[in-house]
Amino acid sequence: DSGVTQTPKHLITATGQRVTLRCSPRSGDLSVYWYQQSLDQGLQFLIHYYNGEERAKGNILERFSAQQFPDLHSELNLSSLELGDSALYFCASSVLGTMNTGELFFGEGSRLTVL
Amino acid sequence: KNQVEQSPQSLIILEGKNCTLQCNYTVSPFSNLRWYKQDTGRGPVSLTIMTFSENTKSNGRYTATLDADTKQSSLHITASQLSDSASYICVVSGGSYIPTFGRGTSLIVHP
Repeated sequence: DSGVTQTPKHLITATGQRVTLRCSPRSGDLSVYWYQQSLDQGLQFLIHYYNGEERAKGNILERFSAQQFPDLHSELNLSSLELGDSALYFCASSVLGTMNTGELFFGEGSRLTVL
Repeated sequence: KNQVEQSPQSLIILEGKNCTLQCNYTVSPFSNLRWYKQDTGRGPVSLTIMTFSENTKSNGRYTATLDADTKQSSLHITASQLSDSASYICVVSGGSYIPTFGRGTSLIVHP
């Protein structure tokens, strides 16, 4: 158990809908990262928050947005969903404010299926 | 462009055998290299983290090597077990704010 909690574990929805994925980082970790992993694809970095502030954006679509709340949990909002958005969405956390040092701890992921 | 290439893409071995996975990178400057194990449908779990000055690092039956001159790393698994069946991901940091992820090697261990 990494200590990172993601909900829901599975989500099935229709095209055009909006969903929210939630992540609670490990106790004491200030950084939250979101990644997307499509079938047979590598992990794609979406966005990084540190102590409530956005630090970096990767290949995140404009239809996607995220935020980190004062209690440090984070939410990833996906709107106007398309079939191609079906993927595993992972949250990771770390103590530091950068992904380049130290260890990232990943949650178990949220599997999104868009029909 | 920062890139991480892993080979082979997939590998099937018999239980008890050894295997070696490769990771070649073009990330520069180099900060560190990490190997993760990802079970199917689960989150990645860190196996090793290696910095520039480290040539070898072990974690149980997993041994990672790093040659910073040739920009190559390998992950050697000794006496494989069924539970080693997973995807192994190489991640290299240093070239930019965002680490560069490889696409992984899928390992299947058969009894």
